Amino acid sequence: AQSVSQHNHHVILSEAASLELGCNYSYGGTVNLFWYVQYPGQHLQLLLKYFSGDPLVKGIKGFEAEFIKSKFSFNLRKPSVQWSDTAEYFCAVFASDSNYQLIWGAGTKLIIKP
Amino acid sequence: SQTIHQWPATLVQPVGSPLSLECTVEGTSNPNLYWYRQAAGRGLQLLFYSVGIGQISSEVPQNLSASRPQDRQFILSSKKLLLSDSGFYLCAWSVGGGYTFGSGTRLTVV
Repeated sequence: AQSVSQHNHHVILSEAASLELGCNYSYGGTVNLFWYVQYPGQHLQLLLKYFSGDPLVKGIKGFEAEFIKSKFSFNLRKPSVQWSDTAEYFCAVFASDSNYQLIWGAGTKLIIKP
Repeated sequence: SQTIHQWPATLVQPVGSPLSLECTVEGTSNPNLYWYRQAAGRGLQLLFYSVGIGQISSEVPQNLSASRPQDRQFILSSKKLLLSDSGFYLCAWSVGGGYTFGSGTRLTVV
């Protein structure tokens, strides 16, 4: 069965530090990849998505993610985080035979210290 | 434009009482509709999804049920709530990839 792993459940960084959140999936076929963010007290929002083409995807608020097919990874990055990036981040994969479902990672809680 | 409405935003219900959460979408036709639960400290758990009117697939056997009486309406129900049904429930829709989520319902069963 397909699965999505986010290895870091909690990440604490200082402002201006660089961020990389890992996401690995287990599926050998065609995938669409997503990162969602949930700020405290708010609903889930799409940060960025990869469908095809350039494997380096740029999203909102300075985030980017790189799809590395050989590593089954879609890591989220930001060169310099801000206090306002404190949120929970979810990686999700839509596989071509996943029966209309997104497969979700468990989420990573990111806390930025001011 | 496409929008999704979910209500109520918060709900406190006694154990054993019924539940009905409603979700409607606007600006799209024949969407795939989903109910998720997000429990504290855990990721999203898919409860039900629907690819059309009257078509419901259940992912996790439990105390809940779902119905899709109209193309853009998706309802999550329970006849008798349990304490373990407390959580944050999210409705979502997708057309052609990528999900859009509602604002969620915080359900507390007391």
